[in-house]
Amino acid sequence: DGGITQSPKYLFRKEGQNVTLSCEQNLNHDAMYWYRQDPGQGLRLIYYSQIVNDFQKGDIAEGYSVSREKKESFPLTVTSAQKNPTAFYLCASSMGHNEQFFGPGTRLTVL
Amino acid sequence: GQNIDQPTEMTATEGAIVQINCTYQTSGFNGLFWYQQHAGEAPTFLSYNVLDGLEEKGRFSSFLSRSKGYSYLLLKELQMKDSASYLCAVMWFTGGGNKLTFGTGTQLKVEL
Repeated sequence: DGGITQSPKYLFRKEGQNVTLSCEQNLNHDAMYWYRQDPGQGLRLIYYSQIVNDFQKGDIAEGYSVSREKKESFPLTVTSAQKNPTAFYLCASSMGHNEQFFGPGTRLTVL
Repeated sequence: GQNIDQPTEMTATEGAIVQINCTYQTSGFNGLFWYQQHAGEAPTFLSYNVLDGLEEKGRFSSFLSRSKGYSYLLLKELQMKDSASYLCAVMWFTGGGNKLTFGTGTQLKVEL
């Protein structure tokens, strides 16, 4: 089945540690996105990538990094520079300006 | 910048009709999306409008007026499972490609 997978579903991290969230899609979509969602809030764009080996900062990129070495994969690293990393992280992909399809999300908690 | 407004909460009765409004200000407008999100889950796509008018899809319809910066999502024959957050999102074109900006969502509660 085609879709987007994110792992892990729940992630716990100690303060000061970097952590990488996985996002894989087999929809053959060119564009991929990372969003962050906090309780009672909408989604905020962290990074996005329109094609392989290229990505752009979104609205809240500070403290995060990404790579896009393969079309299918767009991992997000939450670095220790991110001051408030506890949130629900959602990965999405799309073809052109069509609708974005979302993965199931990773809930990150900093202890 | 982009600005999207939608009501925070709405309550409706099972079997009724509810309209969720969304107003926006944006440059480079390239379409408006509605998504449904149940608690703790990923958003799922409901509708897309890029031209003025009404798009109907089963119990769900979405309307767009670009000149007024206004859209609404209409849900008919409400069911308990429709209790969820409904996100309005505007697509706009930047030098780096198309981006989506989301509203904060409208939490809909369907009661008996």
